[in-house]
Amino acid sequence: AQSVTQLGSHVSVSEGALVLLRCNYSSSVPPYLFWYVQYPNQGLQLLLKYTTGATLVKGINGFEAEFKKSETSFHLTKPSAHMSDAAEYFCAVSEGSNDYKLSFGAGTTVTVRA
Amino acid sequence: NAGVTQTPKFQVLKTGQSMTLQCAQDMNHEYMSWYRQDPGMGLRLIHYSVGAGITDQGEVPNGYNVSRSTTEDFPLRLLSAAPSQTSVYFCATGGTGDFYGYTFGSGTRLTVV
Repeated sequence: AQSVTQLGSHVSVSEGALVLLRCNYSSSVPPYLFWYVQYPNQGLQLLLKYTTGATLVKGINGFEAEFKKSETSFHLTKPSAHMSDAAEYFCAVSEGSNDYKLSFGAGTTVTVRA
Repeated sequence: NAGVTQTPKFQVLKTGQSMTLQCAQDMNHEYMSWYRQDPGMGLRLIHYSVGAGITDQGEVPNGYNVSRSTTEDFPLRLLSAAPSQTSVYFCATGGTGDFYGYTFGSGTRLTVV
């Protein structure tokens, strides 16, 4: 079965600074990987996803993530944080195209300091 | 196009009461699922369905029932609510051909007292 570990339950960054959220996964088959964002009192919104092909994936709102098979990682980055990036972020994994079940990490809450 | 609609948005139940959380989608997605979200635990899969008439258990199915009689609807039933079921519940849908552009509902916040 697949699993996800997000390193750091809370991350605080200054506005304009780099945002780096860490995600490591385990999967017995080539995984599909996802990052979701959740704003307060809302549902989850897909930021980006990796299925196959290019390992550097670009998403919405200036976020990107790189799939590194050798490190079993899928870290999320944004070069310059904005106040609107304050939210909770979830990494998720599924076991490829025949598995419709997502396993989520525990989440990382991002706060942005002015 | 409403996407994924969950009702109610908030609910308070007494221990032992039953209720149904509703999930309806208008995107013709084959896949539908229910997750619960608890602080520090991320989202955990309760039940899922890959099409009308087909359901299966997820990671935390105990205390919950589901059925899928139509493509559009996937209700979640709590037969005898317990305080441990206090949580935020999310319905998520996906088309089997769009590589998991899962769409989430806005959630139901349930408190069991």
